[in-house]
Amino acid sequence: DIQMTQSPSAMSASVGDRVTITCRASQGISNNLGWFQQKAGKVPKRLIYAASNLQSGVPSRFSGSGSGTEFTLTISGLQPEDFATYYCLQHNNYPWTFGQGTKVEIK
Amino acid sequence: QLVESGGGLVQPGGSLRLSCAASGFTFSRFVIHWVRQAPGKGLEYVSGISSDGGSTYYADSVKGRFTISRDNSRNTVDLQMGSLRTEDMALYYCARGGGDFWGQGTLVTVSS
Repeated sequence: DIQMTQSPSAMSASVGDRVTITCRASQGISNNLGWFQQKAGKVPKRLIYAASNLQSGVPSRFSGSGSGTEFTLTISGLQPEDFATYYCLQHNNYPWTFGQGTKVEIK
Repeated sequence: QLVESGGGLVQPGGSLRLSCAASGFTFSRFVIHWVRQAPGKGLEYVSGISSDGGSTYYADSVKGRFTISRDNSRNTVDLQMGSLRTEDMALYYCARGGGDFWGQGTLVTVSS
């Protein structure tokens, strides 16, 4: 199975900060990666698909990049509603695998 | 829309059948997946089934114990869970395709 190593596992940030979250795949997955946001008690929401494509309706401050084994989610100008847990998901090989999650907390 | 049902309390070693009912899109065109989340933990991929039901996929943690199936005439995907363990206790979500739509989840509790 492909392992997805996500870092950091948690971080504190302030409103307006630029935040970067990284996922590394244990083998190449092309651009078959998505990023999800999950707020406490809520259903996960896809932000990015195919590594760098913004899901319809998602603010443009969210962006994704990468291919192969290294991927990044960037939030440019953190907003109060962005405090949540973020997950990457590889869908290149079955079984699909998630990263461990990154909890973004208020500093 | 995706709506899960069938969750509940079951004893270790028991069985449970979850169902995911879809509406509002052409169900037969999409792969459907089950993803679970144990209390306070991250997301874990459980199982998936191709659009025509001909291919199925399982996480190693459930292989041989869980079986996924679908009925495109009823727009449903089922997850038959057997030999349940305490570590299977979680909120089970069904999700469409690459995860663009999710249901609200159904809670499975495994306890004696």
